Amino acid sequence: SQQGEEDPQALSIQEGENATMNCSYKTSINNLQWYRQNSGRGLVHLILIRSNEREKHSGRLRVTLDTSKKSSSLLITASRAADTASYFCATAPLANDYKLSFGAGTTVTVRA
Amino acid sequence: DTAVSQTPKYLVTQMGNDKSIKCEQNLGHDTMYWYKQDSKKFLKIMFSYNNKELIINETVPNRFSPKSPDKAHLNLHINSLELGDSAVYFCASSQTSGYNEQFFGPGTRLTVL
Repeated sequence: SQQGEEDPQALSIQEGENATMNCSYKTSINNLQWYRQNSGRGLVHLILIRSNEREKHSGRLRVTLDTSKKSSSLLITASRAADTASYFCATAPLANDYKLSFGAGTTVTVRA
Repeated sequence: DTAVSQTPKYLVTQMGNDKSIKCEQNLGHDTMYWYKQDSKKFLKIMFSYNNKELIINETVPNRFSPKSPDKAHLNLHINSLELGDSAVYFCASSQTSGYNEQFFGPGTRLTVL
């Protein structure tokens, strides 16, 4: 069954604006990861946040994790046309750390 | 210097045929995976191998059989293809455990007619 669920399903923003997407999950995790998928391509790892971390930054990306609410958010600041892609959160349950479970993704369109 | 490569990129075949998809990684990782992504972009794990041993075998029809000849290769063979098998199949690899980032191949788009 699907572990993570992203919200919103789709997002359209103007270049330069910020994009925020959320992920909720069901079971206890060791870490949560965010991936990007450009159209027709494979997934690319963006950032990993461990369960004992609350916030992490990488370039224009900011990820938060609230384990009490079982939710995470991904913020992309000062978006660019090249950020147009689908973004997925992925979690690995404590019981089986090999089994990464992906949400359905948020499709982000950045308009020039 | 492709990290995770898959062949072929596109595969169009008739129902009932048998086909294989090959995957190779040159990252020195010890764990490899096969995922299936459906038309709604939902990505689901199918199999995982660690050091050539099967460690994840999800509820997948036994028409699908993975084979790992060595740590750098994980192939997927599909027998008696059905219309519902049409999807994009991704190979991925990681080091030691799923807690670490996974590196994905470019995908193989399988179309069953």
